[in-house]
Formats: sequence, C-alpha cells, structure tokens
Amino acid sequence: QLQLQESGPGLVKPSETLSLTCTVSGDSISGGTYYWGWIRQPPGKGLEWIGSIYHTGRTFYNASLKSRVIISVDTSKDQFSLKLNSVTAADTAVYYCARIGNWLFDYWGQGTLVIVSS
Amino acid sequence: QSALTQPPSASGSLGQSVTISCTGTSSDVGAYNYVSWYQQHPGKAPKLIIYEVSKRPSGVPDRFSGSKSANTASLTVSGLQAEDDADYYCSSYAGSSDFLYVFGTGTKVTVL
Repeated sequence: QLQLQESGPGLVKPSETLSLTCTVSGDSISGGTYYWGWIRQPPGKGLEWIGSIYHTGRTFYNASLKSRVIISVDTSKDQFSLKLNSVTAADTAVYYCARIGNWLFDYWGQGTLVIVSS
Repeated sequence: QSALTQPPSASGSLGQSVTISCTGTSSDVGAYNYVSWYQQHPGKAPKLIIYEVSKRPSGVPDRFSGSKSANTASLTVSGLQAEDDADYYCSSYAGSSDFLYVFGTGTKVTVL
C-alpha cells in the first residue's frame, strides 16, 4: 500500500524559508508515470496546488508562488521536497504531499501544519 | 487563475440526495474531462471519490456520482449516510504550466 509522509518544522519565522520533505513508501518514486505534488490548505480555507515534480526533476509551479518555490526530488531516498522562501503569515497552512496520476491526486499524506510566526 | 466556484454549504436528510455544483471556465472545467472530487473529514487528508468527471475509484460507494455540462461539474450523493457529513472539493486540470490544477472553494455537506 502506497504511503506518503510529510516531515519538517512546524514553526517558521517570517521572512525565512519553509522546508518540508515527503517520504514515499510502498512503491518507488521512479516507478510508473506519476508526478508528485504539494498542496496546501490554510486553516478553515480551501485547497491550493503549489507545484508538481516528475522523478526526472521536471517541475511545474503555481504561478502565484513560482518566484518563492522550489520542489526537488531524491529518487535514491524516494523523497521529494518543498522549499518556500520569504514566508509570511499568509503561508500558514496544512501542507500535503500527494501522488498525481492521470490528472488526479490519488494518494495523500496526512498533512503537516506549518505556522509562520515570530 | 481563480478557484472553481462551489456553494459554501449543502444539506440533506439521511437517505436523501444532495447535489453540489462546481463552476469553472472554458479554460479548465469546460476544456477537459479531468474533473475530480475529494471528500475531507475534519483533521483528515482529502480522499479521492470521483475522477475524470464520473469515474469512481475502487472502494468508493456507487452512491457518489459525477457529471459535467459545459463549464459546470456536479457531484451527487444519493442515499445520504451519516459518514457523508464532510467537506467536498472539486478539482480540474487547467492545462497551463503555470496553473496546472485548480481546486474548488469547497462545500460543507451536512447530513440532517
């Protein structure tokens, strides 16, 4: 059974960089024709696609975040990561990683709450 | 790229049906048959319940059904059960490399 697990600091100071890692288990991140993505959900609000990456390193980013986001992949560890710089309180959210297959998000991590506060 | 528009809330009694709309544009919902729906219970990750407008993943009850007309997709939950009380989000492939996917604003379904 495929599982995804987010990890990283739960508290980040304003203007600093948010860094999260998603570890994939139960299958290889390089197996199949799947993209891997990050989605976030501010408290009490809806979902927002942040970006996606293929195991080759090809990336797509939401234009509204593109100037601040880097998504990378480490196939040797079956992990992919998110870095979001210059964070503000508006970046406070639950961050989810997910597998993307055939234009849908079929497996999700449990999510991790990241609070931006001094 | 704006979020897809969903009604904030919907409700129905046990055993009844409820339909949720998801309105986009000719660049997303209207352009592709890649609309998916997700169910989210409080404190939990979203769960895929419909993909490609009307297909159900294995294990999802056939009480859940989807359809699309022009720029609006719809999710119908028939025979409402207590566990259907949740938030529902639609999503569509949007085709632009800068906005590959767009989500709906979300609908809280209350089972009375």
